[in-house]
Amino acid sequence: DTAVSQTPKYLVTQMGNDKSIKCEQNLGHDTMYWYKQDSKKFLKIMFSYNNKELIINETVPNRFSPKSPDKAHLNLHINSLELGDSAVYFCASSQKRTRPQETQYFGPGTRLLVL
Amino acid sequence: GIQVEQSPPDLILQEGANSTLRCNFSDSVNNLQWFHQNPWGQLINLFYIPSGTKQNGRLSATTVATERYSLLYISSSQTTDSGVYFCAVLPQGGSEKLVFGKGTKLTVNP
Repeated sequence: DTAVSQTPKYLVTQMGNDKSIKCEQNLGHDTMYWYKQDSKKFLKIMFSYNNKELIINETVPNRFSPKSPDKAHLNLHINSLELGDSAVYFCASSQKRTRPQETQYFGPGTRLLVL
Repeated sequence: GIQVEQSPPDLILQEGANSTLRCNFSDSVNNLQWFHQNPWGQLINLFYIPSGTKQNGRLSATTVATERYSLLYISSSQTTDSGVYFCAVLPQGGSEKLVFGKGTKLTVNP
């Protein structure tokens, strides 16, 4: 059973296109996240949702728009893709928004290549 | 914001050797996690360890929160231990953002 799943695993597309990445967790967690890992392997948070409510929105171009239809799903839509968007995008989830924060569990990643 | 520094940046070992990876952080934290990113890119949780010591098989971790560092010990290393090890912290003070270090790239040779 996959705890946090992402689709697709690989995405190759042309500059200027619009694409979506989907994430689902079956852990019953309340909070979900999107991270970006750049070519130097540096991981940085982009967004976080708690029970469908946006709670973290980092300095990310507004071409990136997260959408959470329910607390088990957090999708990432990217408009007008640019070369610099090429990266690995990880989805993660955690139990609930508490202090201290619960362990985050990561999906397998989506490798996006923009040509 | 909080700074997370990992050392060494690269480490090459022979199978069977032991190693210690270090994570220093510049401010108080509510949470600290160690992850292993394997050569296929998967991020695997190793430890959730805001303080104290935990062990899981050949791996153990210690966090000394008052001195703002954590150590990951790998004993009797195997080739499957290769990959990048990340430390990530959740700063105190209301932030909900997990901040990652730049990682230690470990290569275990047969």
